[in-house]
Amino acid sequence: ELQLVESGGGLVQPGRSLRLSCAASRFTFDDYAMHWVRQAPGKGLEWVSGISWNSGSIGYADSVKGRFTISRDNAKNSLYLQMNSLRAEDMALYYCAKSRSSGYYEAFDIWGQGTMVTVSS
Amino acid sequence: SYELTQPLSVSVALGQTARITCGGNNIGTKNVHWYQQKPGQAPVLVIYRDSNRPSGIPERFSGSNSGNTATLTISRAQAGDEADYYCQVWDSSSWMFGGGTKLTVL
Repeated sequence: ELQLVESGGGLVQPGRSLRLSCAASRFTFDDYAMHWVRQAPGKGLEWVSGISWNSGSIGYADSVKGRFTISRDNAKNSLYLQMNSLRAEDMALYYCAKSRSSGYYEAFDIWGQGTMVTVSS
Repeated sequence: SYELTQPLSVSVALGQTARITCGGNNIGTKNVHWYQQKPGQAPVLVIYRDSNRPSGIPERFSGSNSGNTATLTISRAQAGDEADYYCQVWDSSSWMFGGGTKLTVL
């Protein structure tokens, strides 16, 4: 079974940084685009960022542009999200999700279980 | 930014047909994807590109998209279909999700 496992979440003070990781297994990681999607407690889904298979195309939601950086290491089958200048409104469960294709214009067919980020002083 | 409008809740009697709509300006010109999310679980893709079912998704799930409305249809609704459902589109270099619809099976 295809698998994505997120890690790196936790409690962080406003203005500080956190790096999330997503480990992929049981599929050819570098064949697919990847995404981060978040969900605040009791709220809906919000796309955060996406990256194509070779990192050639990258996109961010306006709400995180300039503060978050997505990256991937295909040799390690891993996806990352560097989050700087964190705000209270960034508090959410962060999901890693796999695209159905190499570009990030396709639906997300596999999701991890998420890692929680809590921003509080 | 592009807005997607979903009803907050939809109710359906057991065994009947549920229809969940997703409204957006000329959404019929876009590819719409649908996700099911049960409490405490990650979302699951149930329909992609308007009307295509991923492997493992029952035929009871179907989708359509035309004009300003995309629709997810769940036939012969079961108790296990109770969940939040989200539509999704790609627009102007960004992915957008609808606000979600809570489906209750009575």
